[in-house]
Parts: sequence; structure tokens; C-alpha cells
Amino acid sequence: QQKVQQSPESLIVPEGAMTSLNCTFSDSASQYFAWYRQHSGKAPKALMSIFSNGEKEEGRFTIHLNKASLHFSLHIRDSQPSDSALYLCAVLTSGGNYKPTFGKGTSLVVHP
Amino acid sequence: NSKVIQTPRYLVKGQGQKAKMRCIPEKGHPVVFWYQQNKNNEFKFLINFQNQEVLQQIDMTEKRFSAECPSNSPCSLEIQSSEAGDSALYLCASSPQGSNERLFFGHGTKLSVL
Repeated sequence: QQKVQQSPESLIVPEGAMTSLNCTFSDSASQYFAWYRQHSGKAPKALMSIFSNGEKEEGRFTIHLNKASLHFSLHIRDSQPSDSALYLCAVLTSGGNYKPTFGKGTSLVVHP
Repeated sequence: NSKVIQTPRYLVKGQGQKAKMRCIPEKGHPVVFWYQQNKNNEFKFLINFQNQEVLQQIDMTEKRFSAECPSNSPCSLEIQSSEAGDSALYLCASSPQGSNERLFFGHGTKLSVL
């Protein structure tokens, strides 16, 4: 059974800092990796996703995947107070067992 | 704003009572998921549908919940006999055809079982 773990559990950074969030997974057959963001009281919303090893950048956000290490990460450049939220990683395993497994989340606070 | 509509936003039930929540997926999305998010932010997959058919569900859902996604009506998830441990945020998500990986979530129904 897929196990997805996130670190750190919580993080406080100053405005303008680079923020790095980590996610590890247990199933080497995993094929889809995504980050979601959930502001307090709001619906989780997909941020970025990646399928193959490497990096993908969209604006201030970069996702990095290393399948051999069973690890992917999200990096936020020039963090803003509006980035304060719960960040959830999600992993999908191949083989028709289509139900993304989510981590417990990293609570990020960006203070002005 | 989320295009997946969940009602009610809040639900308070006594132990042993039925608790029913509804979800209208985003238009054109045939795949619907239900997740339970507890106070520790842990996501537990409950059940998913493609059109009106159940794709997968966990044992708890099969034994204690009733769920359906009829055509032309909201999807629903109902706990037959609520327990204190069922207190959580119930999130519905939908996914478009051919792009099954990305989920679009509703705001959730927060259930409190007293």
C-alpha cells in the first residue's frame, strides 16, 4: 500500500524567502506526482504536477522529481504572505488503482 | 471559486443518526471522489465513481456508508449510523475525462458528531 510522507510538518518563513517542501513515497511504480494548496476554510486546489524525472517551473513555483530516490519537492521562490496555506502532495500509482494518495500536509506561514 | 458544489457546509449529528451530504461535480467531469480529511489533515480515500458506477471503495465505506452518483442528480454520501470518529471534513472532488490525474475539490462538508 502506497505510503506518502511530507516534511516538515510546519514551516514559518519571512516574506521573500525561498521555501522548500518535501514529499516521499513508497511505491516505485508511482506515475503521477502533484502538489495541492489548501487555504484555511477553502477547497484544496491543484498547484503543479509532474510525470517524469526532472524539474518543472511555473512562475514562482518549481517542482522537482527524483523517482529513484522516491522523492519530490516543491520550491516557492520569493514567498508571499498569500502563500500561507496547507500544502499537500499527492501520488498516483499505475495499474488501474486510480485513487491518489495524499500526504498529511505541510502548514506554511509566510510572515511580512 | 470552486465549481464543485458541496452541501451543506456544516452538519451536526448525534451518535447513531444518519448524516447525508451532497456534491455537484464540475460540469462535464465524469469521475467523482470522496475523501475524509480529519483534524490532523490526513486524507482518507472513501470511494470514487465514473459516471454512475463505483470504481473503488474502502471497507469502511462499503459497511457503513451509502453513496451514489445518479445521472442528472447530485452525488451523495450518507453515513448510516454516525460515530464520534466520523467527525471530519468530507471533501468531494471531480476530474475531467482524459485528464484523470488532476482533482478539482469542493469546499467540503464539515461533520460534527456529538
